[in-house]
Amino acid sequence: GQQLNQSPQSMFIQEGEDVSMNCTSSSIFNTWLWYKQDPGEGPVLLIALYKAGELTSNGRLTAQFGITRKDSFLNISASIPSDVGIYFCAGHGSGGSNYKLTFGKGTLLTVNP
Amino acid sequence: EAGVVQSPRYKIIEKKQPVAFWCNPISGHNTLYWYRQNLGQGPELLIRYENEEAVDDSQLPKDRFSAERLKGVDSTLKIQPAELGDSAVYLCASSRWPIGDTGETQYFGPGTRLLVL
Repeated sequence: GQQLNQSPQSMFIQEGEDVSMNCTSSSIFNTWLWYKQDPGEGPVLLIALYKAGELTSNGRLTAQFGITRKDSFLNISASIPSDVGIYFCAGHGSGGSNYKLTFGKGTLLTVNP
Repeated sequence: EAGVVQSPRYKIIEKKQPVAFWCNPISGHNTLYWYRQNLGQGPELLIRYENEEAVDDSQLPKDRFSAERLKGVDSTLKIQPAELGDSAVYLCASSRWPIGDTGETQYFGPGTRLLVL
């Protein structure tokens, strides 16, 4: 089955710093998604990417769909305390797996005020 | 617009007991998903419904898990009997249509945190 490798597993940064995390897939994806999950809540969609090479921003967040279609990264600029949480990449391929999202294991982000 | 509603939010049971989780998707969303999220992991799909039909239940452990979506709206996920390894967060999500290449977004509920003792 499809596997996603997400790194780093955790990050501890100072408020104001930029942060970057990435995901690689064992197979080609047609869609890459980035979610954030706060404690006790479900994942919330941050950014969706649908085309290889696509670069999309949402406020201080920027994500890119890798040109090989097997990777994606998420950047957060000028981090603030409320950025704390677990960030998940997710994606799906084509054919029989088209409707099934595969999630990475998450990156735990801690921001020190 | 109300989000995906799940209940209960927390459940503690002893092993071998039955347990059920309920989900009310966003109004008008035809596709409903149940995920299981183990500690330190991302969500994993258990079952996907399109209206009242279960179109992908390949990851559902059918010996003890069952699900239904009568009338194509609310859904219930049941475990009987529960085992220690079933302790996890059970997430429900919905979308208007299957995500596919349509650009549809899945919206997640807050989840039910199950602890089996």
